Amino acid sequence: DGGITQSPKYLFRKEGQNVTLSCEQNLNHDAMYWYRQDPGQGLRLIYYSQIVNDFQKGDIAEGYSVSREKKESFPLTVTSAQKNPTAFYLCASSRTGWPGELFFGEGSRLTVL
Amino acid sequence: EDKVVQSPLSLVVHEGDTVTLNCSYEVTNFRSLLWYKQEKKAPTFLFMLTSSGIEKKSGRLSSILDKKELSSILNITATQTGDSAIYLCAVEDNAGNMLTFGGGTRLMVKP
Repeated sequence: DGGITQSPKYLFRKEGQNVTLSCEQNLNHDAMYWYRQDPGQGLRLIYYSQIVNDFQKGDIAEGYSVSREKKESFPLTVTSAQKNPTAFYLCASSRTGWPGELFFGEGSRLTVL
Repeated sequence: EDKVVQSPLSLVVHEGDTVTLNCSYEVTNFRSLLWYKQEKKAPTFLFMLTSSGIEKKSGRLSSILDKKELSSILNITATQTGDSAIYLCAVEDNAGNMLTFGGGTRLMVKP
């Protein structure tokens, strides 16, 4: 079955550590996105990529980094520079020309201790 | 900066009730408005409304776009416990690169 796989589902991190969240899709979608969800704030865009080897900052990119070396993969690194990293992170993808209809992964919940 | 506001923040109803969820937006060069349902983790797509399609219906769910009032409603009739979820509204501008989401409405349907 086609879909988006995020891992890990739950992650605990000590302050000062970087952590990388994985996102893999087999939908053959060109565009991929990372959102952060905090209670009562909906989804906020961190980074997005419309094609391999290219990506753009979203609204809250500070303290995060991404790469897009393969069409199927769009990992997100939460760096120690992110001041409040505890959140639920959602990865999504879409077909070229249809950015509105997003397909989401099951999410990764990061807790900083 | 694009802005999307949803109301109410949360809602508790009983099975069989009809509910209306609201979404208002401010966006430069509007292209589309979308509704998603988030039951546990992954949001799933419900509807997309554009200037050429201002009303959509699927079973007990329906949505209307009011471009004059810059708003949309999502109606759910004869609610069931399985409708319990967070409902997210998002808008897309003509640049077509990203969506701006509202804060969501948390709906709880009691038996």
